[in-house]
Amino acid sequence: AQSVTQPDIHITVSEGASLELRCNYSYGATPYLFWYVQSPGQGLQLLLKYFSGDTLVQGIKGFEAEFKRSQSSFNLRKPSVHWSDAAEYFCAVGPGGYQKVTFGTGTKLQVIP
Amino acid sequence: GAVVSQHPSWVICKSGTSVKIECRSLDFQATTMFWYRQFPKQSLMLMATSNEGSKATYEQGVEKDKFLINHASLTLSTLTVTSAHPEDSSFYICSARRQGTRRTEAFFGQGTRLTVV
Repeated sequence: AQSVTQPDIHITVSEGASLELRCNYSYGATPYLFWYVQSPGQGLQLLLKYFSGDTLVQGIKGFEAEFKRSQSSFNLRKPSVHWSDAAEYFCAVGPGGYQKVTFGTGTKLQVIP
Repeated sequence: GAVVSQHPSWVICKSGTSVKIECRSLDFQATTMFWYRQFPKQSLMLMATSNEGSKATYEQGVEKDKFLINHASLTLSTLTVTSAHPEDSSFYICSARRQGTRRTEAFFGQGTRLTVV
């Protein structure tokens, strides 16, 4: 069975600083990988996804993620964080694309001025 | 992206009563809908997958008689929590996908916070 680990429950960064959120997955074959963002009272919004091809994936809002098969990782990055990026971020893996998706426990991002 | 709306956004009900949560795709026909549950400080757990006109497929450990899912139309799926108890208090969220392949994006609703007192 697939699983996702987000080792950081809570991260605080200064506005303008760079950001990296960690995600490790466990899955036997090539996974479909996702990053979602959830703002308070909102549903989940897809930031980016990896299905195949280029291992560096660009997403919305200036986010990118890199799939590293050797490390079973799919870390999310942003070069300069904005206050509006404060939210909870979920990494997810799905063997069948958007079906049977397994989510990590989330990382709550706090942005300080 | 497409719009998926859940109603209500939050609900409080008494123990032993039933509560219905609606998930609507507003601008597309959703042949498949997914229902998730999120406990505090935990991740989203897939409860069931429903295809329009078919019975829902429940994940292991989810009581199908307690969590009734109906997907009678291409724009509406409902989750009914029957005989709710305080341990059913959670955040329920749906996602909907139009007909397509496994790579067809599923869009999430804003979720429903259920509190059973």
